[in-house]
Amino acid sequence: DTAVSQTPKYLVTQMGNDKSIKCEQNLGHDTMYWYKQDSKKFLKIMFSYNNKELIINETVPNRFSPKSPDKAHLNLHINSLELGDSAVYFCASSSSKGSMTGELFFGEGSRLTVL
Amino acid sequence: EDQVTQSPEALRLQEGESSSLNCSYTVSGLRGLFWYRQDPGKGPEFLFTLYSAGEEKEKERLKATLTKKESFLHITAPKPEDSATYLCAVPPDLGGYNKLIFGAGTRLAVHP
Repeated sequence: DTAVSQTPKYLVTQMGNDKSIKCEQNLGHDTMYWYKQDSKKFLKIMFSYNNKELIINETVPNRFSPKSPDKAHLNLHINSLELGDSAVYFCASSSSKGSMTGELFFGEGSRLTVL
Repeated sequence: EDQVTQSPEALRLQEGESSSLNCSYTVSGLRGLFWYRQDPGKGPEFLFTLYSAGEEKEKERLKATLTKKESFLHITAPKPEDSATYLCAVPPDLGGYNKLIFGAGTRLAVHP
């Protein structure tokens, strides 16, 4: 059983299109995250949700809209895709304790390529 | 701006050749430093948390240590399966633990 699963693993799309990435965790964690890993391999926080409530929104263009229908799911919808959106997007989750010990559980990533 | 810098960017070792990776940070009030391992095509996997200078944590061939401004990940007698990118992260001075600042990582390749 995969603890944090994301779909799809790969997306290739044209500029201007809209796409979504889905994430589910079966660890019973309260907090979920979206991180972006760019070509230079830096992982940067985009959003964080705690019990379905948005708690972090890091200067991300409003073309990116996260949604958490319940605490086990966190989706990311991206409108009007741009070339610079090409990256690997990671979903992660943590327990309340894990948030303070830095113990995040990451999914395998969704590689988005915008042409 | 809070920053995390890792060196070297890449490291190639022979099997059994011990070495150390470095992680330095600029946050003034450290509230934890975290090490992760990332295999190609996978998400990062948590390894260690360190909280205070002098603290050490070990796992198999890996030992993480912390000083006031940097952390080291020592790899003793590495094996090819230790090949991965090693990332370190800290929480920022302003803001909670939920927004970790990651370094760019050190890509380690261990050859038989």
